[in-house]
Amino acid sequence: AQSVSQHNHHVILSEAASLELGCNYSYGGTVNLFWYVQYPGQHLQLLLKYFSGDPLVKGIKGFEAEFIKSKFSFNLRKPSVQWSDTAEYFCAVNAGSGGGADGLTFGKGTHLIIQP
Amino acid sequence: DVKVTQSSRYLVKRTGEKVFLECVQDMDHENMFWYRQDPGLGLRLIYFSYDVKMKEKGDIPEGYSVSREKKERFSLILESASTNQTSMYLCASSFLAGTYTSYNEQFFGPGTRLTVL
Repeated sequence: AQSVSQHNHHVILSEAASLELGCNYSYGGTVNLFWYVQYPGQHLQLLLKYFSGDPLVKGIKGFEAEFIKSKFSFNLRKPSVQWSDTAEYFCAVNAGSGGGADGLTFGKGTHLIIQP
Repeated sequence: DVKVTQSSRYLVKRTGEKVFLECVQDMDHENMFWYRQDPGLGLRLIYFSYDVKMKEKGDIPEGYSVSREKKERFSLILESASTNQTSMYLCASSFLAGTYTSYNEQFFGPGTRLTVL
């Protein structure tokens, strides 16, 4: 069974600081990788996704993530965070079985707080 | 815009009650999912469905059942609610994978916060 590990459960940064949130997964085959974000009181929404091709993917709001297959990692980055980035961030994986009908396996989440 | 709606934002039920959580999507998605979200545990998959009347168990199906009578609607049923089922329940939907895509993005509803007393 696949699993997802997010290294930091709580992160506190000041505005303009750089951000990197770690995510590792445990599945040896083809994977589809996602970062979702949940702003306070809002729906879970997709930040970015990796299916294939360029391992550096860009998402919304200046976020990017790099898929490193040899390290089973998909870390999320942003060069300069803003107060509005305060949210819960979830890494998720789906084993690329080709069917696409099964669900996602999520990490436990990282609660990010940006201090003005 | 994809819209996934859930029947209630907040629900309070008593132990032993039968509880229905409803989810409707308006994008003609084949796949629908139910997750529960708990602090420190992330989201965990309860059940999913890839077609009408089809259902598959997820990671934590115990104590739950589902119903999908129409393509756009997916219901989660707690046959006899217990206090350990107090949680946030999230519904999601997506297209079925196609020839050139091994997976499709899931779109989430706003969630139902269920409290079982």
